[in-house]
Amino acid sequence: NAGVTQTPKFRILKIGQSMTLQCAQDMNHNYMYWYRQDPGMGLKLIYYSVGAGITDKGEVPNGYNVSRSTTEDFPLRLELAAPSQTSVYFCASSYTLYRDRGLGGYTFGSGTRLTVV
Amino acid sequence: GQQLNQSPQSMFIQEGEDVSMNCTSSSIFNTWLWYKQDPGEGPVLLIALYKAGELTSNGRLTAQFGITRKDSFLNISASIPSDVGIYFCAGQLNNYGQNFVFGPGTRLSVLP
Repeated sequence: NAGVTQTPKFRILKIGQSMTLQCAQDMNHNYMYWYRQDPGMGLKLIYYSVGAGITDKGEVPNGYNVSRSTTEDFPLRLELAAPSQTSVYFCASSYTLYRDRGLGGYTFGSGTRLTVV
Repeated sequence: GQQLNQSPQSMFIQEGEDVSMNCTSSSIFNTWLWYKQDPGEGPVLLIALYKAGELTSNGRLTAQFGITRKDSFLNISASIPSDVGIYFCAGQLNNYGQNFVFGPGTRLSVLP
């Protein structure tokens, strides 16, 4: 059971370049999320999705786009990379949080470290 | 937006010592989660709390959902070197599996 898989693990982009961060989960989770983590900071939500075909903005969506064509995949797109987007990006997934199912919280991927120069 | 504060920001302890850290907010939360992040990895869920006053253990870890619903505490007993990492709290305002607010983390170092 792979859980949440993110690719690539590392990437260096030049200012103005674009790229897609890939995220896939094999747990049949309906919710998926993209977070960024800056040094010494907590996780900031970029976008999330409650199911295939449905996405919504999080706290810091500017400069990013997402799509959710399948339950399994939730790619994050950077169109015009900027130095402020240098960060570690985490994808996560979850069921809805019903305690009687014994389920809780997110399953995170191992992250993509992005540097924009 | 909602904010969570975690204290301490960082701590250095001797192996074998007990550790306490907390998470506070000005908002009321319905769910509290505690995660641990090892270097170069994503956060991993340690404990989930769903009810005010709830006390839950996971091995040497114990967490409590504060009575006011504005705070939560995590204790680690008899620390070992593999406890090193960043501990994040996360709070959720509703019960429908959507967005969590994450604290900035407590960085724990364990000295042999």
